[in-house]
Amino acid sequence: AQTVTQSQPEMSVQEAETVTLSCTYDTSESDYYLFWYKQPPSRQMILVIRQEAYKQQNATENRFSVNFQKAAKSFSLKISDSQLGDAAMYFCAYRSANYGGSQGNLIFGKGTKLSVKP
Amino acid sequence: DTAVSQTPKYLVTQMGNDKSIKCEQNLGHDTMYWYKQDSKKFLKIMFSYNNKELIINETVPNRFSPKSPDKAHLNLHINSLELGDSAVYFCASSLAGIQETQYFGPGTRLLVL
Repeated sequence: AQTVTQSQPEMSVQEAETVTLSCTYDTSESDYYLFWYKQPPSRQMILVIRQEAYKQQNATENRFSVNFQKAAKSFSLKISDSQLGDAAMYFCAYRSANYGGSQGNLIFGKGTKLSVKP
Repeated sequence: DTAVSQTPKYLVTQMGNDKSIKCEQNLGHDTMYWYKQDSKKFLKIMFSYNNKELIINETVPNRFSPKSPDKAHLNLHINSLELGDSAVYFCASSLAGIQETQYFGPGTRLLVL
């Protein structure tokens, strides 16, 4: 079974600075998808960024970028020029690309709570 | 123009009651999901459903049942509520296909007293 580990329960960053959130995963599959979701205090789960495992190029979305290391099974999220609105829980998630009993289901890490200091 | 909506946002009820949470999506998606987020913020899949099949996480008690009147709705029914059912329940939807991104509703906070 696949697992996702976020080893940092809490992180803090100064406004305008850069922060990196860690995520590692365990799988025997070669094809899969990885995601970062953000959950602000409003509880809404918001997709931040996604990465296809078959793509070598790291995904970027404006101030958000990932460092995808397939061999190391690592998928970290970098937030540049941090803003107060970035304060939230961040969840790393894995999704198998194989059809089967767990088709389509996201497997989440336990989350990292990010605080942004003004 | 809410994409995935859930009602109610908050639900407080007594142990033993039966309750339902509604989910609607206007994205034209054909696959919908229910996730449970416990008090430690851990998110776990409960069900995934499209017009072809329902896939149930084997750890979900049979007191929980999803019901889909049409492709845009997947409601969650819970019978004989227990204290341990207190959690935040998220509905999500996507197009069929493993490569498709899931979009989440705002969540329903359920408190069982």
